[in-house]
Amino acid sequence: NAGVTQTPKFQVLKTGQSMTLQCAQDMNHNSMYWYRQDPGMGLRLIYYSASEGTTDKGEVPNGYNVSRLNKREFSLRLESAAPSQTSVYFCASSELWGPYEQYFGPGTRLTVT
Amino acid sequence: SQELEQSPQSLIVQEGKNLTINCTSSKTLYGLYWYKQKYGEGLIFLMMLQKGGEEKSHEKITAKLDEKKQQSSLHITASQPSHAGIYLCVRSGGGSNYKLTFGKGTLLTVNP
Repeated sequence: NAGVTQTPKFQVLKTGQSMTLQCAQDMNHNSMYWYRQDPGMGLRLIYYSASEGTTDKGEVPNGYNVSRLNKREFSLRLESAAPSQTSVYFCASSELWGPYEQYFGPGTRLTVT
Repeated sequence: SQELEQSPQSLIVQEGKNLTINCTSSKTLYGLYWYKQKYGEGLIFLMMLQKGGEEKSHEKITAKLDEKKQQSSLHITASQPSHAGIYLCVRSGGGSNYKLTFGKGTLLTVNP
């Protein structure tokens, strides 16, 4: 039982390049989330998927797209990376959309030069 | 201003000492979570508080919620080096808005 897994762990991109961050959970959870964590700031929600087949914007969605590929997988895509997107990205999942504990992955550290 | 204020921002204690971390919200607290993060790692869920006056404990960590004051506190008894890390208070929105708002965290160092 791996919980929430994220790939890659580290990535360096040049401005304008694109990439997809992968996230998978093996807990049969319905809801999944993408956050970013920046120094001096709390985690901020980028996008979430309350259930398979749905996605919604969070607090900071600009510059990102997401895909809920199936119940297990939720990917985050940067179409044209910018230095402002340098951050640590966390994927999380919860049993349902509601007052439930969220389980977090180990994070992806992304640097855009 | 920050929606969730944690104090102190950082804390250094000697092993065996007790400590308290506070969290104050500028908005109504419908649900309050405490998470712990070790440097370079993901977040680990500690506790969730939903009702005013609620108090929960797990091992040597106790969290309380004062709904009227819009505050929560996290108390660690007889701290150990394993307690070191960043403690985050997290607020859940009200109604059907379950999006989480995170505090900036309190960095705890426990010296042996």
